[in-house]
Amino acid sequence: EAGVVQSPRYKIIEKKQPVAFWCNPISGHNTLYWYRQNLGQGPELLIRYENEEAVDDSQLPKDRFSAERLKGVDSTLKIQPAELGDSAVYLCASSAGQGSETQYFGPGTRLLVL
Amino acid sequence: GIQVEQSPPDLILQEGANSTLRCNFSDSVNNLQWFHQNPWGQLINLFYIPSGTKQNGRLSATTVATERYSLLYISSSQTTDSGVYFCAVHMNTGFQKLVFGTGTRLLVSP
Repeated sequence: EAGVVQSPRYKIIEKKQPVAFWCNPISGHNTLYWYRQNLGQGPELLIRYENEEAVDDSQLPKDRFSAERLKGVDSTLKIQPAELGDSAVYLCASSAGQGSETQYFGPGTRLLVL
Repeated sequence: GIQVEQSPPDLILQEGANSTLRCNFSDSVNNLQWFHQNPWGQLINLFYIPSGTKQNGRLSATTVATERYSLLYISSSQTTDSGVYFCAVHMNTGFQKLVFGTGTRLLVSP
């Protein structure tokens, strides 16, 4: 069984440029999460989807971040415009349902904003 | 919000040594996971352990939810065990939010 797939793995952009990250969850997993991990810290939740509905986006900086999960499968996280402080690893995870099931993480996208 | 503290923050072991990592949390939780983040950044599931004890090879974990702590045991450590170990808790609220601890950075030297 394939794990969570993310692309790109690395991205270097200049500040004020837009950037997008893509995630394909484990087949059959209805719940999808986006996390941000700053250097030396644990991941922090940005947004959680149940199928195509965003049910927890309280930590998403909505002035510059947006996300979508069309058709309840793949998801895209976008930053526009990027700021220096957005440099981090962006992790996608999925789980089978909205209970306390195990979350499985993708390899992440390392973003560097110059 | 809930606080999740891990100790020690850093640990250096000689290959073959045993170790115990601790995770304390400040509020009741639905569940707890242990992860290993390898040097390439991949988060690998180790245990999903709301209570009791589980074992997987050289690793085992124990969670005592009533006392708000969990322990991860690593026996006969190997260099491939190096990386950062996180515990993460599912908060006991309406939204099933996973909150990560501060992490323990482990280096196993040959």
